[in-house]
Amino acid sequence: DAVLTQIPLSSAVTLGRPASISCRSSQSLVHSDGNTYLSWLHQRPGQPPRLLIYKVSNRFSGVPDRFSGSGAGTEFTLKISRVEAEDVGVYYCLQVTQSWTFGQGTKVEI
Amino acid sequence: QVQLVQSGSELKNPGASVKVSCKTSGYIFSIYGLHWVRQAPGQGLEWMGWINTNTGKPTYAQDFTGRFVFSMDASVSTAYLQVSSLKTDDTAVYYCANSGGQWGQGTLVTVSS
Repeated sequence: DAVLTQIPLSSAVTLGRPASISCRSSQSLVHSDGNTYLSWLHQRPGQPPRLLIYKVSNRFSGVPDRFSGSGAGTEFTLKISRVEAEDVGVYYCLQVTQSWTFGQGTKVEI
Repeated sequence: QVQLVQSGSELKNPGASVKVSCKTSGYIFSIYGLHWVRQAPGQGLEWMGWINTNTGKPTYAQDFTGRFVFSMDASVSTAYLQVSSLKTDDTAVYYCANSGGQWGQGTLVTVSS
């Protein structure tokens, strides 16, 4: 199964400034159907995870457009264009191309 | 709207069993697979496996074979996770999530004597 490595594991961000998180896979996440099933989740303290991005770059319902995803193959990035206070928490990348595998998580603090 | 509502917190003794439920609503149950994820205190997310809600076939991740059982009752749109022979290391929040991206609120299972 693919191993996902997130960089950084923690990040101190500034309100109103951009932020980004990288996720590297040990193997290509391109499915035999041609899609790449890499998602990003956000988990606030004491809350369940919430899906932000699916299939690399598609925002889930209700997700603000300051969140964007990009990448291909084995290298992926989540970007926040302007960090808001509610964006604190832990971000996980998740591959569902072959079973499910989570990255270790990146803790984002203001 | 789509909802996944899990059963409440549990406190169990080592060696006991626990059954967590995940009741879905707002969509046709068989459309999305139902996954189980474990989060130990202060740790990351760990995929336990999933159940095919069309066929009822469970698939377990490597670390979750033997003591873990996924089941479902399509008539009430509910999936279940049963853990037997509980160990203190099983203390965690257990989440259900469907393959459509929706998550339950989590169920805290505490194993302690």
